[in-house]
Amino acid sequence: GAVVSQHPSRVICKSGTSVKIECRSLDFQATTMFWYRQFPKQSLMLMATSNEGSKATYEQGVEKDKFLINHASLTLSTLTVTSAHPEDSSFYICSAPKFVPAGGVGNEQFFGPGTRLTVL
Amino acid sequence: QKEVEQNSGPLSVPEGAIASLNCTYSDRVSQSFFWYRQYSGKSPELIMSIYSNGDKEDGRFTAQLNKASQYVSLLIRDSQPSDSATYLCASPAGGTSYGKLTFGQGTILTVHP
Repeated sequence: GAVVSQHPSRVICKSGTSVKIECRSLDFQATTMFWYRQFPKQSLMLMATSNEGSKATYEQGVEKDKFLINHASLTLSTLTVTSAHPEDSSFYICSAPKFVPAGGVGNEQFFGPGTRLTVL
Repeated sequence: QKEVEQNSGPLSVPEGAIASLNCTYSDRVSQSFFWYRQYSGKSPELIMSIYSNGDKEDGRFTAQLNKASQYVSLLIRDSQPSDSATYLCASPAGGTSYGKLTFGQGTILTVHP
């Protein structure tokens, strides 16, 4: 399988501060990455699609000015939660599709280990 | 109707039994299907991918795809307590293999000793 990393794995911050989360594809290049949020006992919710070299595409209801996404290179996307508040506390997960030449499925999508954000 | 739907849960099976997880989809252009396992507090882990009609086996896991009936299933043989997790069926949108995933609601599996 592929490896996608995230940093930090856990962050606790005060209300009003900004938090940056990094997502890296370690052994492949990813022109597209995806950012999800998951609240306890709920399903994954796609927040946005990160596109290398162009603006991110946000899902309906996600504030693009609050959740800033930058796809700086073919292996790195960052999500910045600006002016975080307690309701932003959640589990943030990124994913990236990797082309798999064998098997015919095309791309398989791999998830990072997630970042648990707690805003006090 | 949701684009990807998983059958009712939670599912509880005894250790050593076969666990059967099912998923139906509505978009006929969907080409690829994935099964993810998610342990509580962890991110999803890809365990099976399938794009051809029929069965695909990997160890104790078998994925089955029937495009005519628009369903995909996952069988777990010789279930172990460590298989207890939420299983997610997913397919990339729009018939691509690299697009954003559409997930089913997940099936919680519990394997009891």
